Amino acid sequence: GQSLEQPSEVTAVEGAIVQINCTYQTSGFYGLSWYQQHDGGAPTFLSYNALDGLEETGRFSSFLSRSDSYGYLLLQELQMKDSASYFCAVREMWGNTPLVFGKGTRLSVIA
Amino acid sequence: KAGVTQTPRYLIKTRGQQVTLSCSPISGHRSVSWYQQTPGQGLQFLFEYFSETQRNKGNFPGRFSGRQFSNSRSEMNVSTLELGDSALYLCASSLDGPRNTEAFFGQGTRLTVV
Repeated sequence: GQSLEQPSEVTAVEGAIVQINCTYQTSGFYGLSWYQQHDGGAPTFLSYNALDGLEETGRFSSFLSRSDSYGYLLLQELQMKDSASYFCAVREMWGNTPLVFGKGTRLSVIA
Repeated sequence: KAGVTQTPRYLIKTRGQQVTLSCSPISGHRSVSWYQQTPGQGLQFLFEYFSETQRNKGNFPGRFSGRQFSNSRSEMNVSTLELGDSALYLCASSLDGPRNTEAFFGQGTRLTVV
């Protein structure tokens, strides 16, 4: 089975950069996804890393290193609206397996 | 293109009752998954359906069940409700294919058991 570990909470200052880490234990998976969920809202897809390396989408970037069983989401030029919970997720490649999520990291952006 | 629709949005039930939640996926999506979300526990996987067949089931008791219809709409049922079943129940739809990891979520059904 798979296990994804994330910090439970992170606080950062508006305008700064923050990195949210995700470590995992799985023998094989298709890629690492990231989702954002604001309070009272639905999780929304942010990014997907199928291969090792950095994927950039505007202020958000995501990184994957399969050899280190590690990935992260990088948020730059933080804005107050980035305050939300962020989840990493994987789908293992053995059989028909579901998309499984980490417990999430609550990001608080302060002025 | 309409998003994933879940009904009802809010529900209050008493212990011992049963409840049925509904999910209409995005048009063209044949895979529907259900998750339970509680504070501190993240999104815990309940079931995944594809073409009316349950493809995966999470580690939940038999009181939790579901089904998918020919139009891809899905329902989940919880019988003999317990206080601990209070949670946000999220439905997600996606295109077919194991490599597809982009799931589209509905707003969820907030279930409160009293």
